[in-house]
Amino acid sequence: GDSVTQMEGPVTLSEEAFLTINCTYTATGYPSLFWYVQYPGEGLQLLLKATKADDKGSNKGFEATYRKETTSFHLEKGSVQVSDSAVYFCALHRDNKLSFGAGTTVTVRA
Amino acid sequence: DAGITQSPRHKVTETGTPVTLRCHQTENHRYMYWYRQDPGHGLRLIHYSYGVKDTDKGEVSDGYSVSRSKTEDFLLTLESATSSQTSVYFCAISDTSTYNSPLHFGNGTRLTVT
Repeated sequence: GDSVTQMEGPVTLSEEAFLTINCTYTATGYPSLFWYVQYPGEGLQLLLKATKADDKGSNKGFEATYRKETTSFHLEKGSVQVSDSAVYFCALHRDNKLSFGAGTTVTVRA
Repeated sequence: DAGITQSPRHKVTETGTPVTLRCHQTENHRYMYWYRQDPGHGLRLIHYSYGVKDTDKGEVSDGYSVSRSKTEDFLLTLESATSSQTSVYFCAISDTSTYNSPLHFGNGTRLTVT
């Protein structure tokens, strides 16, 4: 069945550092791919998405490119802020449902 | 923010008791979902609904049932709660099932089964 694998955390960074969170997937066909973010005490919010190969999703300085050849959708941000501290989830969409990775906790220190 | 209200926000119950969690939406979205969130597992789908009285099972549906008698309400029931059902439960909604439609999440219900 479909599955999503994320790099394990937690990840701790200093402000203005570069962030990468790896995400790979297993699925038949061509699923849509998403990154969601969860701030403390809240539900998940959509961060960005990509619906076909080579699409690049971007939002709030975050980017991710749908790589079909490597079945990956890695999340990157060039200069993180304390406010980026959160849990990040990679997900794929097929058959009316989302399948999520385990989540990666990111903490950014001032 | 999408109008999604989950109730209660926190609940502590004893093993063997029935528990019902409620999700209420004001967006008139067709699709509603129940997920549970556990450390190391991310979010796992319990049940979902694609319309009034239309529901289907997700990957971790054992021990749970759902009902949707109105567009705006989606109830999750634990018939006889067990300690393994201690978790944070999230409701989500979507207006379509198309491949690129995002889900909008509520703020969660933290359930503890003692």
